[in-house]
Amino acid sequence: DAGVIQSPRHEVTEMGQEVTLRCKPISGHNSLFWYRQTMMRGLELLIYFNNNVPIDDSGMPEDRFSAKMPNASFSTLKIQPSEPRDSAVYFCASSLLAGSQETQYFGPGTRLLVL
Amino acid sequence: AQSVTQLDSQVPVFEEAPVELRCNYSSSVSVYLFWYVQYPNQGLQLLLKYLSGSTLVKGINGFEAEFNKSQTSFHLRKPSVHISDTAEYFCAVSETGTASKLTFGTGTRLQVTL
Repeated sequence: DAGVIQSPRHEVTEMGQEVTLRCKPISGHNSLFWYRQTMMRGLELLIYFNNNVPIDDSGMPEDRFSAKMPNASFSTLKIQPSEPRDSAVYFCASSLLAGSQETQYFGPGTRLLVL
Repeated sequence: AQSVTQLDSQVPVFEEAPVELRCNYSSSVSVYLFWYVQYPNQGLQLLLKYLSGSTLVKGINGFEAEFNKSQTSFHLRKPSVHISDTAEYFCAVSETGTASKLTFGTGTRLQVTL
């Protein structure tokens, strides 16, 4: 299996622009997670989906962030408008089943820089 | 809510020496515990996890961890490290019987030198 695929791997944009991050989970996995990693705050869960349905979005920073999962093989995380403080590495992860004992498989991340 | 503390932000060690990376957690309910490793410019990869049963858990790359409920700890150990073990190590916890929600520690940077 190819693992979790994220695109783009690097994104540089200017403040105010819209940014869309993409994720393809491992085939057959039913849960998908979006994380943000920064030096200051470490690794934070933003939102997760189970069977394409958002279950917990309490980690989404504010209304500028939105996430969708239109089907089992694709998810997006959108930031509109972007701000310099959004600069971080964004990871997507997936797991076979829902459940707190499940192993999460991480993608390589998208490194976002907002100027 | 649960929390994870990794007291050591960096651990320097010589190759072939033993190492212990410390992890303590806090939760009002039973938990599952995980160690993930992150190599430079990569995503996180599971090293090992404790769900139930034996408190000594063996993982990949020669790592092991021991769950200590009374001390609320889950320290990671390796008897002899290699240069290739240089990476960031994250301890994480999730509450049993709940949905999939991991809480990560701040990470420990293991730096192995010759």
